[in-house]
Amino acid sequence: EAQVTQNPRYLITVTGKKLTVTCSQNMNHEYMSWYRQDPGLGLRQIYYSMNVEVTDKGDVPEGYKVSRKEKRNFPLILESPSPNQTSLYFCASSLRPGGDSPLHFGNGTRLTVT
Amino acid sequence: QKEVEQDPGPLSVPEGAIVSLNCTYSNSAFQYFMWYRQYSRKGPELLMYTYSSGNKEDGRFTAQVDKSSKYISLFIRDSQPSDSATYLCAMRPLADASGSRLTFGEGTQLTVNP
Repeated sequence: EAQVTQNPRYLITVTGKKLTVTCSQNMNHEYMSWYRQDPGLGLRQIYYSMNVEVTDKGDVPEGYKVSRKEKRNFPLILESPSPNQTSLYFCASSLRPGGDSPLHFGNGTRLTVT
Repeated sequence: QKEVEQDPGPLSVPEGAIVSLNCTYSNSAFQYFMWYRQYSRKGPELLMYTYSSGNKEDGRFTAQVDKSSKYISLFIRDSQPSDSATYLCAMRPLADASGSRLTFGEGTQLTVNP
């Protein structure tokens, strides 16, 4: 089944403890992206990747890191999480960047930072 | 001010009703317009996609884009309880250095009552 898989689905952590949220897609998509979803603010892009080894900042990149060493994987790293990073996170991918290529989303990771 | 405005609702209608969901936007460069549906505890899934102005119909769903008014709509005919979800509008320009970066509305929460 074609899908974007995120892990874990739920994560509770404490301020300052480094964490990684994994994202993997099995559709051979070039483009991958991370979004966070917050009440009243909607979905906002954190980072994106046009292809392997090519990543760039989205609208809200502060406090996050990403890497794209392989085409299928795009992990999101929080080096020192803070409570304002408590949110619902979505990984998404598309066959190619731009145009009419639709974004396919994972089922989300709900992160709580205390 | 947000680039995309969407009434968050919630919107509650009886089964069989016609539902109208709307978004306004301020960026005249937006050319691709999409509607995503998000069920509880799931990622958004693409429902409808329109390029530039005009109408597009898919079964019970009709998407309309009026670029002169910077206004897009999604109509749902003969609404069903299974249509209960959050509906997100999203849009992006024709040419964008970030590729597929979408700007999302906040989402409208719809409940269709049997």
